[in-house]
Amino acid sequence: DTGVSQNPRHKITKRGQNVTFRCDPISEHNRLYWYRQTLGQGPEFLTYFQNEAQLEKSRLLSDRFSAERPKGSFSTLEIQRTEQGDSAMYLCASSPRERTDTQYFGPGTRLTVL
Amino acid sequence: KQEVTQIPAALSVPEGENLVLNCSFTDSAIYNLQWFRQDPGKGLTSLLLIQSSQREQTSGRLNASLDKSSGRSTLYIAASQPGDSATYLCAVKGGNNRKLIWGLGTSLAVNP
Repeated sequence: DTGVSQNPRHKITKRGQNVTFRCDPISEHNRLYWYRQTLGQGPEFLTYFQNEAQLEKSRLLSDRFSAERPKGSFSTLEIQRTEQGDSAMYLCASSPRERTDTQYFGPGTRLTVL
Repeated sequence: KQEVTQIPAALSVPEGENLVLNCSFTDSAIYNLQWFRQDPGKGLTSLLLIQSSQREQTSGRLNASLDKSSGRSTLYIAASQPGDSATYLCAVKGGNNRKLIWGLGTSLAVNP
């Protein structure tokens, strides 16, 4: 059981740079979610995929953010022109087709924008 | 708009105590409610999931209840241990069965 994996685990970047995170869901999970969590807060929903289709995007996902899941397996989250306010933990979760009520979370990618 | 509130924000107890964490939500039209555990700097682990039609779920020393009409859930931890120290998050899934709406969590410290 490999679980949900996320890479990198930590990323430090300078303001204005672009960053890309990867999430590999549990094999054959058809739903994939991205959340953002800042210190002392609960996770905030960013976006959700069912297979390769992006079905919902939060208003938090500004035009600097883009997510893809091209083959319905792994997903990438890109942030362009990073700002200090983007510093957070980015969490990925996946759900199996037969149990969409349960989300399995990865360890997260911690982003620090200097 | 669904809002989830958790009380208390932080709790410190001696080992062995039974304790209750509270979660309230504003919109009773939920699909399910989950309790998660988060260790510092780590991801989330699902503890208990209660469907909207259920009243409670139990796993080991943990018991979660759900009163949908009043918009409340409680997580009961029996005989607390230092290893229970973590942040406990409550999350509600709306009627469309898509995204989770989260509380801010309760930070629990169990002292030996």
